Amino acid sequence: DQQVKQNSPSLSVQEGRISILNCDYTNSMFDYFLWYKKYPAEGPTFLISISSIKDKNEDGRFTVFLNKSAKHLSLHIVPSQPGDSAVYFCAAGGNQGGKLIFGQGTELSVKP
Amino acid sequence: NAGVTQTPKFRILKIGQSMTLQCTQDMNHNYMYWYRQDPGMGLKLIYYSVGAGITDKGEVPNGYNVSRSTTEDFPLRLELAAPSQTSVYFCASRTSENTGELFFGEGSRLTVL
Repeated sequence: DQQVKQNSPSLSVQEGRISILNCDYTNSMFDYFLWYKKYPAEGPTFLISISSIKDKNEDGRFTVFLNKSAKHLSLHIVPSQPGDSAVYFCAAGGNQGGKLIFGQGTELSVKP
Repeated sequence: NAGVTQTPKFRILKIGQSMTLQCTQDMNHNYMYWYRQDPGMGLKLIYYSVGAGITDKGEVPNGYNVSRSTTEDFPLRLELAAPSQTSVYFCASRTSENTGELFFGEGSRLTVL
């Protein structure tokens, strides 16, 4: 039972354009969400998070949107840069005794 | 700052062997986690701990054991290694607050032949 789903395994975007990565969840008990970025042969690194009391959170070029009724969140990267090319994971937690569940990841490729 | 340190970085095991992946963090985090990442797949939670002496199963605990005798250390034990346990293992930690971000180690690549 996949509680956190990223249905797009890969995404290719032109440099300077917007990248939109999507994530769906099934457990209504989740109340905070995080995005991580991972380069090959490295551990994931934190990008941005959002609590369920908000519907948007911004940090520089990165914005996360949360639609609780649809159980959907998205990460927008504007403008996209070649250095953003990596695998992006969304994660969800809250009211789970500390458990944090990750999606399958989306590999973003930003082409110059 | 060392952060989260995992050892070993690489290991090859034969079927049926046992081993322990070590994880240490120096940030005084109460919460610690073990994930595995299979090729082309996401991060699957194996076990986690919310404090010394407390551990709980994640999504894929079968074939693994953990212990948490101190705040700093959270070793992952593989008993009777199987080819299905070939994966990259990540240890992570975070503060006690529910909204705290996870800090990951660099990963341990395990191959079972």
